[in-house]
Amino acid sequence: QVQLVQSGAEVKKPGASVKVSCKVSGYTLTELSMHWVRQAPGKGLEWMGGFDPEDGETIYAQKFQGRVTMTEDTSTDTAYMELSSLRSEDTAVYYCATGADYYYMDVWGKGTTVTVSS
Amino acid sequence: QSALTQPRSVSGSPGQSVTISCTGTSSDVGGYNYVSWYQQHPGKAPKLMIYDVSKRPSGVPDRFSGSKSGNTASLTISGLQAEDEADYYCCSYAGSYTNVFGTGTKVTVL
Repeated sequence: QVQLVQSGAEVKKPGASVKVSCKVSGYTLTELSMHWVRQAPGKGLEWMGGFDPEDGETIYAQKFQGRVTMTEDTSTDTAYMELSSLRSEDTAVYYCATGADYYYMDVWGKGTTVTVSS
Repeated sequence: QSALTQPRSVSGSPGQSVTISCTGTSSDVGGYNYVSWYQQHPGKAPKLMIYDVSKRPSGVPDRFSGSKSGNTASLTISGLQAEDEADYYCCSYAGSYTNVFGTGTKVTVL
């Protein structure tokens, strides 16, 4: 049974960076696809990027290219998502999600609230 | 990549059926059989309800079914129950390892 445990809430100032972690248990990170999805207050889900272990590819949504970096520490089975040059519009709940296949997400973390405010 | 188009809301009485549409293009919904659907209750993480257009994960009631025709995918909830009241999002693979979500639909049980 795969479980994802995310890091705690963050408050950041505009222009800063935030790094959210997602620890995997019950499975080995290298065998799982990993996606990051965010949801601004009162808004819908937005796919930010993902990692496909079959091909070793990490792809970011065009909207976030240049500002987001997704990495993995296989020694601790922890995935990370770092978003830089934060602005108020980045205030959202950030989810990590995984699946047996890259094309769907069947296990989700509880989410990490990131608030960007001066 | 533009979000897939869903109706803002649908509603039905207990026991009725409702269908949520998810319209994309030939570059996403129409191009791949990789449409998934997620249920989200307020303050909770999304839950996978349908994957690969019409497959149901273990534990999801068979009242939930998915289909696709051309560039439009659909989620049907048969025998609507009170606990089905939630937001629903479609998601499609869009090529080159990218995915795109729908705009979301609020299902109300009258």
